[in-house]
Amino acid sequence: EAEVAQSPRYKITEKSQAVAFWCDPISGHATLYWYRQILGQGPELLVQFQDESVVDDSQLPKDRFSAERLKGVDSTLKIQPAELGDSAMYLCASSSNEETQYFGPGTRLLVL
Amino acid sequence: GDSVTQMEGPVTLSEEAFLTINCTYTATGYPSLFWYVQYPGEGLQLLLKATKADDKGSNKGFEATYRKETTSFHLEKGSVQVSDSAVYFCALSESNAGNMLTFGGGTRLMVKP
Repeated sequence: EAEVAQSPRYKITEKSQAVAFWCDPISGHATLYWYRQILGQGPELLVQFQDESVVDDSQLPKDRFSAERLKGVDSTLKIQPAELGDSAMYLCASSSNEETQYFGPGTRLLVL
Repeated sequence: GDSVTQMEGPVTLSEEAFLTINCTYTATGYPSLFWYVQYPGEGLQLLLKATKADDKGSNKGFEATYRKETTSFHLEKGSVQVSDSAVYFCALSESNAGNMLTFGGGTRLMVKP
């Protein structure tokens, strides 16, 4: 069964450093989502792509976060500089034309 | 805006007990409703979904019925197992919002032998 791949699974960094997360969606899925999940809470959408275009990035802190999906396949989420409050699980999900989203295993970020 | 409210946990049950996790929602249109499950240290797995009123989603013994009149989508299972211990998230999506998911806060279920 096809899965969404994410790497790294865990990342520890110091504040003010740059970090990057990678996501490879299920093959053929045009829509890709990045969510942030703070411990003990539900995920919240950061950015949504349709192919290579950003559909919604209204909740993305653009002063420090950036996301790209240059060829409309895999995607990178970057944080620069990282802050203590960025510690969370970063989840990637993808979907085809139907509405069901399939999630990857996530990247757990700890900022010290 | 859209929102999802679920009962706070943790919910602690003995094996073979009956499970109900309440979920209610507010939405501007006609959302699709989902239950996702998250095991420790892992991402979210789709458990079940329903796309219109009175639909019943079911999977692995879990069920939930889309109740438009009460704006609810309660999760039930007749006999829980230790392996069901996880965090359960209720969520909704609307096609006019790009199908982004709006999640509840999650409910932790602990099943004891």
